Amino acid sequence: SQTIHQWPATLVQPVGSPLSLECTVEGTSNPNLYWYRQAAGRGLQLLFYSVGIGQISSEVPQNLSASRPQDRQFILSSKKLLLSDSGFYLCALTGKAGANVLTFGAGSRLTVL
Amino acid sequence: GEDVEQSLFLSVREGDSSVINCTYTDSSSTYLYWYKQEPGAGLQLLTYIFSNMDMKQDQRLTVLLNKKDKHLSLRIADTQTGDSAIYFCAESRYSSASKIIFGSGTRLSIRP
Repeated sequence: SQTIHQWPATLVQPVGSPLSLECTVEGTSNPNLYWYRQAAGRGLQLLFYSVGIGQISSEVPQNLSASRPQDRQFILSSKKLLLSDSGFYLCALTGKAGANVLTFGAGSRLTVL
Repeated sequence: GEDVEQSLFLSVREGDSSVINCTYTDSSSTYLYWYKQEPGAGLQLLTYIFSNMDMKQDQRLTVLLNKKDKHLSLRIADTQTGDSAIYFCAESRYSSASKIIFGSGTRLSIRP
């Protein structure tokens, strides 16, 4: 079965520091991969998605970037964090066919102070 | 447009039915989904419906789709305390099958 590993689970970082959140998947190959952010009291915002290695689509211009160096690895980064980057970051995957059902990881909670 | 909209809160008495509503703007949506998020957790798929259907039932859950009005609803029969969660509506579009857009989520609370 498909599983998604995200780490770290919780992170507290100062403003201006760099960020790297990692997502790896198992039990599938050539998935579509997604980063979503859920800010406190708000909905789920699509940040990036990737249909293959090195292919990244950015949905919202912002302080963050994503990379997909391997088929089953998706990384969310920032060079300098802002207070507004605080939130709950969720990695997700779908297969290439069928109903595009998302499988989510457990999330990484980022607090920027 | 890109919007998927939901009301933010719903309060229901235990044992009653809950109806959570969602509107979307893109007529090219292929699949529409309902996800559930329990406190501090990721999202889990509850059910989904293909855009050529108008109803889908799965045990206590009934999904209704009005494609003309771009309106989706989720009915939970005999609501229980374990149903307390945030419910997200989402759509996947024919024009970009990889892009899945979520609403803001509806927080369902159950009162005794």
